[in-house]
Amino acid sequence: EIELTQSPATLSLSPGERATLACRASQSVSSDLAWYQQKPGQAPGLLIYDASNRATGIPDRFSGSGSGTDFTLTISSLEPEDFAVYYCQQRRSWPLTFGQGTKLEIK
Amino acid sequence: QITLKESGPTLVKPTQTLTLTCTFSGFSLSSAGVGVGWIRQPPGKALEWLAFIFWNDEKYYRPSLKSRLTISKDTSKNQVTLTMTNMDPVDTASYYCAHRNVYGLSWLDPWGQGTLVTVSS
Repeated sequence: EIELTQSPATLSLSPGERATLACRASQSVSSDLAWYQQKPGQAPGLLIYDASNRATGIPDRFSGSGSGTDFTLTISSLEPEDFAVYYCQQRRSWPLTFGQGTKLEIK
Repeated sequence: QITLKESGPTLVKPTQTLTLTCTFSGFSLSSAGVGVGWIRQPPGKALEWLAFIFWNDEKYYRPSLKSRLTISKDTSKNQVTLTMTNMDPVDTASYYCAHRNVYGLSWLDPWGQGTLVTVSS
């Protein structure tokens, strides 16, 4: 099973600041990694797929990078609606696995 | 537009069997590449993938829960069913179903709204 480790667990920032979230895989997943955003009381939604592609309707302040074992989600300038929990997920091999999440909170 | 919705009991007793149904629209589970999966999330905790079923009846299960899980599909009703036996309080979670097309985007998109299942006597 491929383990995904996200850091930090919690990130406290202010609107307008830049957010950098990390996801590390226990073995290479190539570019088979996605990021999901989950707001309180809602289901997760696809944000970034194939490590660096924005899903439909996702603003360009969101970007993803990385391949192999190290990945980054960057939000260039935080908007109030961006404060949520973010999960990475790999599809390289079964079982599908998620990271433990990074909570992005307002400072 | 693809939509999915989970349904089932909100409360089950320990040792009982949970049966959840995912009813979807906007796609067919008889179309090549299409699959529906189940993911759960205990309150305040991370997401955990459980099971997947594809158009060709290929099935995948979380290894640690494989003995307790069964996933099936009814193509005519646009439904996918997940059963989990021998429920325990640690299985209390929101249960989500999600669409995947391995010949398309091939990620979990979209998700249903989820249903909260509490395991308690």
